[in-house]
Amino acid sequence: QVVLTQSPSASASLGASVKLTCTLSSGHSSYAIAWHQQQPEKGPRYLMKFNTDGSHSKGDGIPDRFSGSSSGAERYLSISSLQSEDEADYYCQTWGTGFVVFGGGTKLTVL
Amino acid sequence: EVQLVESGGGLVQPGGSLRLSCAASGFTFSSHSMDWVRQAPGKGLEWLSYVTGGSGTIYYADSVKGRFTISRDNAKNSLFLQMNSLRVEDTAVYYCAREAYMDVWGKGTTVIVSS
Repeated sequence: QVVLTQSPSASASLGASVKLTCTLSSGHSSYAIAWHQQQPEKGPRYLMKFNTDGSHSKGDGIPDRFSGSSSGAERYLSISSLQSEDEADYYCQTWGTGFVVFGGGTKLTVL
Repeated sequence: EVQLVESGGGLVQPGGSLRLSCAASGFTFSSHSMDWVRQAPGKGLEWLSYVTGGSGTIYYADSVKGRFTISRDNAKNSLFLQMNSLRVEDTAVYYCAREAYMDVWGKGTTVIVSS
């Protein structure tokens, strides 16, 4: 079964950029992933799906400040020009035959 | 507007049952697979179950296999989760989401399992 590993926390200053990492378990580096944002006291919101060929599809209304990339088994979510509303939990997620799995989430603090 | 609205949550005693519903609108429901996901208080997201558009393929997480049943009624644009033998640890906000990659989420319904 695929396991997704995320750092529990990250922080960056207002107006700066941050790169969050999601690592796929050994032998599973070819999986596409999705990124979701959950602001405090709100439900999750889909940010984007990121395929291993580099293509991605963003959710409606997701600003260009949010982008995805990958390197080997690592998938990245980059956020530029950080705003206060970007302070949230970010989850990566993948799926396959018989399963769907989430990473543990990264809590992003905007300083 | 594409929308998912969950309902059916509430307070139930351990060992009891509950049926959650998810009403879909703004898209061709039958053309999309659907999921149930939950979030226990202070915890991360946990996927529970998946069903394809025609209900031909269904998956469950091990934590709910044998206790929860996913189903859908495409004529009524509705998704369901029948939850039996509920445990205290099933206390959570339950969300429905569209597709395996969850490009649309509902706002959730709260289930509290307590005596």
